[in-house]
Amino acid sequence: DAGVTQSPTHLIKTRGQHVTLRCSPISGHKSVSWYQQVLGQGPQFIFQYYEKEERGRGNFPDRFSARQFPNYSSELNVNALLLGDSALYLCASSLGQGRFGYTFGSGTRLTVV
Amino acid sequence: GDSVTQMEGPVTLSEEAFLTINCTYTATGYPSLFWYVQYPGEGLQLLLKATKADDKGSNKGFEATYRKETTSFHLEKGSVQVSDSAVYFCALSDRGTNAGKSTFGDGTTLTVKP
Repeated sequence: DAGVTQSPTHLIKTRGQHVTLRCSPISGHKSVSWYQQVLGQGPQFIFQYYEKEERGRGNFPDRFSARQFPNYSSELNVNALLLGDSALYLCASSLGQGRFGYTFGSGTRLTVV
Repeated sequence: GDSVTQMEGPVTLSEEAFLTINCTYTATGYPSLFWYVQYPGEGLQLLLKATKADDKGSNKGFEATYRKETTSFHLEKGSVQVSDSAVYFCALSDRGTNAGKSTFGDGTTLTVKP
């Protein structure tokens, strides 16, 4: 079975631009969560979607948005990119809402210049 | 809010040495606790978990016990290998309305030398 897949793997954007990151969960997993990991730190929670509804939002500005599609794949959108948005963006999926842990993808490395 | 504090690294050990990485947490509810491992250039992998007090999670020779009285979940391994070199993250996942949010520590880098 395929694991959690994320695309693209690497991305370079200019300040002020918009970016869309994509995630496909493990087959059968209905929950997708997004995390931002800055170098040297632990992942920070951005969003969780479960059964296509937003179930949680972390402390990120409104420039960050996400959605989940009927096939449970998900997109994370970031508008008006700042240099500080440079990070590894991780997608994680689980059967339920995460009480028993997540399976993470390998991430998208976003560099804002 | 919820928080996780991990032992600061980096940690360098010789092969076959005993490993302990300390982790303590603060949570308003009754969380599930996890250890994740991240190898260079990869995402996080769930190493082990415990969902209630006194539970012991174990996997690949690693163990951690959920200690509610000391709010701790220390990671241990009796004999480390070079292949265990990675970054280890302690995390918690609360229940109820915040069940989907996991809170992570800042990670501890382990290097095992032959």
